[in-house]
Amino acid sequence: KQEVTQIPAALSVPEGENLVLNCSFTDSAIYNLQWFRQDPGKGLTSLLLIQSSQREQTSGRLNASLDKSSGRSTLYIAASQPGDSATYLCAVKSNFNKFYFGSGTKLNVKP
Amino acid sequence: EPEVTQTPSHQVTQMGQEVILRCVPISNHLYFYWYRQILGQKVEFLVSFYNNEISEKSEIFDDQFSVERPDGSNFTLKIRSTKLEDSAMYFCASIGGGVVDEQFFGPGTRLTVL
Repeated sequence: KQEVTQIPAALSVPEGENLVLNCSFTDSAIYNLQWFRQDPGKGLTSLLLIQSSQREQTSGRLNASLDKSSGRSTLYIAASQPGDSATYLCAVKSNFNKFYFGSGTKLNVKP
Repeated sequence: EPEVTQTPSHQVTQMGQEVILRCVPISNHLYFYWYRQILGQKVEFLVSFYNNEISEKSEIFDDQFSVERPDGSNFTLKIRSTKLEDSAMYFCASIGGGVVDEQFFGPGTRLTVL
């Protein structure tokens, strides 16, 4: 069974710092990996989707990379802002129509 | 911008009662999902639905659960006899079905079983 792990579980940084969130998965046979943002008590907002054939995707200050063979993905956030404070989740699509989520990294960006 | 909607936002029920959680996926999307998130825990996959039938389900999705797409817009999750441990946020999601299969989530329904 696919297991998805996210490190660190929590991160607190001052505004303006660049930071890296990590996601690892045990089964490299994935179709894609998606990064989400979740605000307290809210739904999930899609940030980036990386197909299994891709190495990275970029959107604004966000850059996600994927190393399928080693079972890892990183989400890089440049010039962090207080509005980036949220929990960041990664999810892998393994089987045709099934997804596995990590526990998330709770990010706090201090003004 | 199209979005997934869910109703109600919060449902309180007594143990043993039936509940139906409703979702309206993005129009023209083909794949539909239900997830749950117990407070402080991971988002857990429950079931996926395509072409009017279940395509995958998890071990959580036992006989107490059922899904239905009664018309061209709604997608429902029914829990027949709720238990205390069913208390969670329930999220609906949909995927368009094209080359890029990005999931879009609804805001969730908080289910509280007393």
